Amino acid sequence: EPEVTQTPSHQVTQMGQEVILRCVPISNHLYFYWYRQILGQKVEFLVSFYNNEISEKSEIFDDQFSVERPDGSNFTLKIRSTKLEDSAMYFCASHEWGTTGVVKLFFGSGTQLSVL
Amino acid sequence: EDKVVQSPLSLVVHEGDTVTLNCSYEVTNFRSLLWYKQEKKAPTFLFMLTSSGIEKKSGRLSSILDKKELFSILNITATQTGDSAVYLCAVLISGSARQLTFGSGTQLTVLP
Repeated sequence: EPEVTQTPSHQVTQMGQEVILRCVPISNHLYFYWYRQILGQKVEFLVSFYNNEISEKSEIFDDQFSVERPDGSNFTLKIRSTKLEDSAMYFCASHEWGTTGVVKLFFGSGTQLSVL
Repeated sequence: EDKVVQSPLSLVVHEGDTVTLNCSYEVTNFRSLLWYKQEKKAPTFLFMLTSSGIEKKSGRLSSILDKKELFSILNITATQTGDSAVYLCAVLISGSARQLTFGSGTQLTVLP
């Protein structure tokens, strides 16, 4: 089955540093998402992206966060100045257009971000 | 605020047992309910349910949705140690972004 690929699998950074998390969605997919899961907590929606722009974002996705699709394959999440509370597993997800409106979201294996 | 509540939070059973996991929801603009299995990292898709009363089956797993009572159940029969995982329920809300609202998950442990 096709896969969403995320790199790196684990990123350690100092507080205040910028990080970029990378994702390669499934090739024919059009909708892209970032979710995060703080240890022991729920998976939370961050942002959705379609047609080269943000469709929707949550309250978590403040000015420190940005997303980009720099080329035809990569989808990145940048955190400009990391905080301790940004430590979490970050999941990228994608799906193709569902003609019936029913969609199946594929998740990547995640990037564990640790902010020290 | 949209809410998805799963129960139990954790469950320990022995191989061969049958388990039922519950998911209730209170959301605006419900579209679909999805079940995922999360073993180590990425949630992997199990089922998507959109219509009430239609059971979805995949091997020993099955799921059904009740849109009147706003809940879904996930059944696993003849459990195996490989079924040990966190099972996540998520609701897809109508709208352009199609974001998922997740429950806290049920940690299932199947002992040999």
